[in-house]
Amino acid sequence: DAKTTQPNSMESNEEEPVHLPCNHSTISGTDYIHWYRQLPSQGPEYVIHGLTSNVNNRMASLAIAEDRKSSTLILHRATLRDAAVYYCILRDDRDDKIIFGKGTRLHILP
Amino acid sequence: NAGVTQTPKFQVLKTGQSMTLQCAQDMNHEYMSWYRQDPGMGLRLIHYSVGAGITDQGEVPNGYNVSRSTTEDFPLRLLSAAPSQTSVYFCASSRTGDGNTQYFGPGTRLTVL
Repeated sequence: DAKTTQPNSMESNEEEPVHLPCNHSTISGTDYIHWYRQLPSQGPEYVIHGLTSNVNNRMASLAIAEDRKSSTLILHRATLRDAAVYYCILRDDRDDKIIFGKGTRLHILP
Repeated sequence: NAGVTQTPKFQVLKTGQSMTLQCAQDMNHEYMSWYRQDPGMGLRLIHYSVGAGITDQGEVPNGYNVSRSTTEDFPLRLLSAAPSQTSVYFCASSRTGDGNTQYFGPGTRLTVL
């Protein structure tokens, strides 16, 4: 079973920041937090991942709570092309498998 | 560097037919996996492998076989296709280890009549 909990859907206005939350209360000390997204009619693509510290890359930022039981994916300035399903995932460190949950469907309003 | 490739892109089968979906990667990744995605749903893990000669079942393995004879290839076999197997199939690969990310292929859209 997926070890994360995300809202089913969110809406945001174009050119505004978006904060996508994820709860992972059973996270272990060695679990990395991964985010992927899936654009319409495409395969999933990597967005960002982190362990303890906040992370930034060209696509997004990842804010990790101090107790690591939750995290937030931040899109700094959403565009229509960011409309997708966003998945927060903990990779199983016993056998490496990656189980996807239902994700959050992000709608961007023009 | 082609990344993860899948063939065919589209396939139509009749109930009871068998076929193999091909997946290959050229990144020397130890970990490979197969997912299926039904319309409007999330991805479900079918089978995965952490290296040549090693495979294991995911969430929905029934009706599918896999083998991993080389690092590069991870074919998925449908033994006797059923309409319930109509789906989009994605192959993915990564290095092993928690800090590594998966790279996905473009998918194979399978319809079973």
